[in-house]
Amino acid sequence: SAVISQKPSRDICQRGTSLTIQCQVDSQVTMMFWYRQQPGQSLTLIATANQGSEATYESGFVIDKFPISRPNLTFSTLTVSNMSPEDSSIYLCSVPGTGGGYTFGSGTRLTVV
Amino acid sequence: LAKTTQPISMDSYEGQEVNITCSHNNIATNDYITWYQQFPSQGPRFIIQGYKTKVTNEVASLFIPADRKSSTLSLPRVSLSDTAVYYCLVVNGSNTGKLIFGQGTTLQVKP
Repeated sequence: SAVISQKPSRDICQRGTSLTIQCQVDSQVTMMFWYRQQPGQSLTLIATANQGSEATYESGFVIDKFPISRPNLTFSTLTVSNMSPEDSSIYLCSVPGTGGGYTFGSGTRLTVV
Repeated sequence: LAKTTQPISMDSYEGQEVNITCSHNNIATNDYITWYQQFPSQGPRFIIQGYKTKVTNEVASLFIPADRKSSTLSLPRVSLSDTAVYYCLVVNGSNTGKLIFGQGTTLQVKP
C-alpha cells in the first residue's frame, strides 16, 4: 500500500491564525481525502482533494475555512484558517490502498489556544 | 450509506478469540463491509473487507450472513497489542472513497 507522510505531526497555534498541513504520498493516486477527528470522537470526512480542480467539500465544511490544494497526484495540503479552539482536532489524509481499503496518514494533532 | 451499530466497548484477555459484531440493517446491494483498526495517535488501519460469507486474512476473519444485515469481525488469540478502536464501515461499491465512520468499538485486552 501507499506510504503517506503527513506534516506537521502536531502543532499548537494561536486563535485567529492559520495552519497548513501537508500530505505527501509515495505513489501517484487519483483520489486523496481529508478527515477530521475531534477529541474522543470518530473520523469525519472534510473533503475530497481533486487534482486539477477544486476540492469537493462535505456538508458542514467550506472552502473559506478549509482551503485545499492538490497540485499533483502525490501531494495535497489542507489549511485550517482563522482558527478557534473548536478547531482543535486530529487532521488526517487518506488515499486508496493497493491491497484493499484506504491508507491513512498518521495525522496532525492541532491544538488551538 | 447504511448506518452501522456496534458495541461501544469490549474487554478480553490475552489468548482469547474476540468477536465484534456490527449491525447494518439498511445495507444496499452494491455495498460492502470493511473494518479498520485505530491505535491512539495513529490513523486508522485497514483490516479486512468482504461482501458476503467468510473472508480470512493473516490478521482476522470476517463473517457475513446471507442477509448481510450484520457482520462479525473475529480476532484469533488476541494480545495486549490488539487493544485499539475497531470501526465497522459500509462502503458504496462505486468506491468514491467516502468513508462514514461510526463510533467504533474500543477493545481492551487484559493480561
